[in-house]
Amino acid sequence: QVQLQESGPGLVKPSQTLSLTCSVSGASISSGNYFWSWFRQPPGKGLEWIGYIYYSGTTFYNPSLTSRVTISVDTSKNQFSLKLSSVTAADTAVYYCVGDLGAWKPDVWGKGTTVTVSS
Amino acid sequence: DIVMTQTPVSSPVTLGQPASISCRSSQSPVHSDGNTYLSWLQQRPGQPPRLLIYKISNRLSGVPDRFSGSGAGTDFTLKISRVEAEDVGVYYCMLATQFPLFGQGTKLEIK
Repeated sequence: QVQLQESGPGLVKPSQTLSLTCSVSGASISSGNYFWSWFRQPPGKGLEWIGYIYYSGTTFYNPSLTSRVTISVDTSKNQFSLKLSSVTAADTAVYYCVGDLGAWKPDVWGKGTTVTVSS
Repeated sequence: DIVMTQTPVSSPVTLGQPASISCRSSQSPVHSDGNTYLSWLQQRPGQPPRLLIYKISNRLSGVPDRFSGSGAGTDFTLKISRVEAEDVGVYYCMLATQFPLFGQGTKLEIK
């Protein structure tokens, strides 16, 4: 059973870079079975897709965030990571790491981690 | 950009009765590969989202068969044949043509 766990700072200052890591258990990130994705959900609002990475390093980002987003993978640690630069209060959200089985089938979700952007 | 419009915003339902949620795409929902990647996700209170239905009508393994998806063109529907207490939460449609976009969500509550 694949399980995902997000980790990282819960508080980030405006203009700084948000950094989160997702640890994968129950599957090898290098297996090629999943696209490893990040989604987010601002407080009381709906869902937004941030982007994904494939084990090969291929990435695809939401066009609205592409200038600020980097998703990377560390196969040796079975982890993938999100960096979002120049954050503002609008980036305050619960961030979810997700395993997508391909064909836009996001079927494994982490529990989510809350990130607040505030000075 | 495509806009996904869900209705209703809120749906009070009696236990054991059916429920229906609609999702409309403002543009053609068909991906360049010919598929329509329209999914439905459930988010129970305090929980992460859970994928229920993918590619319009395919139920994920383990999802109760009281959940069904249908649709054609730009209109899609999630139906729950008999609502149970555990179905309370917010339901989102998600469409991926170039990248995933979500409807604003429908809150299902018990009357």
